Amino acid sequence: GENVEQHPSTLSVQEGDSAVIKCTYSDSASNYFPWYKQELGKRPQLIIDIRSNVGEKKDQRIAVTLNKTAKHFSLHITETQPEDSAVYFCALRVIGGKLIFGQGTELSVKP
Amino acid sequence: AAGVIQSPRHLIKEKRETATLKCYPIPRHDTVYWYQQGPGQDPQFLISFYEKMQSDKGSIPDRFSAQQFSDYHSELNMSSLELGDSALYFCASRITGRDYEQYFGPGTRLTVT
Repeated sequence: GENVEQHPSTLSVQEGDSAVIKCTYSDSASNYFPWYKQELGKRPQLIIDIRSNVGEKKDQRIAVTLNKTAKHFSLHITETQPEDSAVYFCALRVIGGKLIFGQGTELSVKP
Repeated sequence: AAGVIQSPRHLIKEKRETATLKCYPIPRHDTVYWYQQGPGQDPQFLISFYEKMQSDKGSIPDRFSAQQFSDYHSELNMSSLELGDSALYFCASRITGRDYEQYFGPGTRLTVT
């Protein structure tokens, strides 16, 4: 069935360091892989997404890589800042258009 | 730019009561998705509508029902509320066939006491 595994569940880094979050999935038909940042009580905010025909995408300090053969994708945040602290969710689009989310990673950036 | 509107933003109900959550998608968006997010959990897909017809159904309890109206707004009706229904409920909309991105509303926080 449709499943996304996200690791780690918590991540603590020093300001300026890099952070990497990884997700693996099972549905080989998935073709869209968004990443969301969510602050407490707020809506998920799309920060970057990638489609299945692309292996890597970068937007300033944020990058996503996708390996369709191995069925995993990763979020990379460089030069982390305290305001990057939040919960990050990977997701994938499955047949029908709905999103299946990973379990979330609570990122803490210490000044 | 117009965003997805959800109402109410906060709702407090007692067990066994009913609740109705409303979602107004971005103008010209033809598809609406409902997600439920429990405390410390990831959003879980409930149900979706395309052009006023139910298009997909997830882990939505039989006590819940939903529909999309002629003006494309959607309502999620919840009956016989249980403590476990306390959650954030998000609505998202998109234009099918144009983009994969789903635009999330601010959510409705439902508390069942």
